[in-house]
Amino acid sequence: EAGVAQSPRYKIIEKRQSVAFWCNPISGHATLYWYQQILGQGPKLLIQFQNNGVVDDSQLPKDRFSAERLKGVDSTLKIQPAKLEDSAVYLCASSYRRVAGGAVQYFGPGTRLTVT
Amino acid sequence: SQQGEEDPQALSIQEGENATMNCSYKTSINNLQWYRQNSGRGLVHLILIRSNEREKHSGRLRVTLDTSKKSSSLLITASRAADTASYFCATAPTNAGKSTFGDGTTLTVKP
Repeated sequence: EAGVAQSPRYKIIEKRQSVAFWCNPISGHATLYWYQQILGQGPKLLIQFQNNGVVDDSQLPKDRFSAERLKGVDSTLKIQPAKLEDSAVYLCASSYRRVAGGAVQYFGPGTRLTVT
Repeated sequence: SQQGEEDPQALSIQEGENATMNCSYKTSINNLQWYRQNSGRGLVHLILIRSNEREKHSGRLRVTLDTSKKSSSLLITASRAADTASYFCATAPTNAGKSTFGDGTTLTVKP
C-alpha cells in the first residue's frame, strides 16, 4: 500500500511570510496527525484529526498556525506569519483509527522548513 | 514536560554488539511504542507493548516493560551499521487518547 505522502519536502521562507504544507494519509486511515520536530528533539503533536473533525489541538499556536482536513482525507497545515522559531521538520502521520490507548502511527517523510 | 524520556541521549557501538536504550515515563500508560527515525526521514514503527505485557520480541528487537518502575527498554541484538538511527519511545497515558514522544536516543553503529 502507498505510504503517507507529504509535500513539499523542503521549504525556505523569510520571517513574516506564509507557508502551507500538504499531507495525504494512507487510504482508509481515519486519524491524521501533524507534528513539529525541532532539531534534536522528538515530535511534538500540533493537531490530531478524526475524519474531518479536530480531536486535539491543544499545542497548536492558533494565532499563527491553522490546519484543515476537508472531506476527511488529505490535510493542509498553514503558518502565517512565520517566525524564526518555526524552523523545524513538519511530520504528518496517520493511523487506522483513534484508539484510546495510543494507535500505531505511520509517518510521512516530513517537510523541512527553514525560516530566515 | 515530556511523558517519556529516553536514556542515553547518544550511544555508539561496534557492529555486532548489542545496543540497549531505556525509556522512563511519569504516569500510568495503556501502551508504549518504539519508533526508529533515520536521518532526514519520517518515523517508522518498530514495536508496541501493552501495559499488561512484560516482554515482547520482533526479530532482533526485544522490548521489556516494567510498569512498577515506569520504564521500558529496547534491546537490539547483533547490531548492524543499518541500525544507525534515532530511537523514540511513545507513551499513551491512560487518561489521554494520544501518544507522546520523548527526545530519543541517537544510536551510531560503527562498521
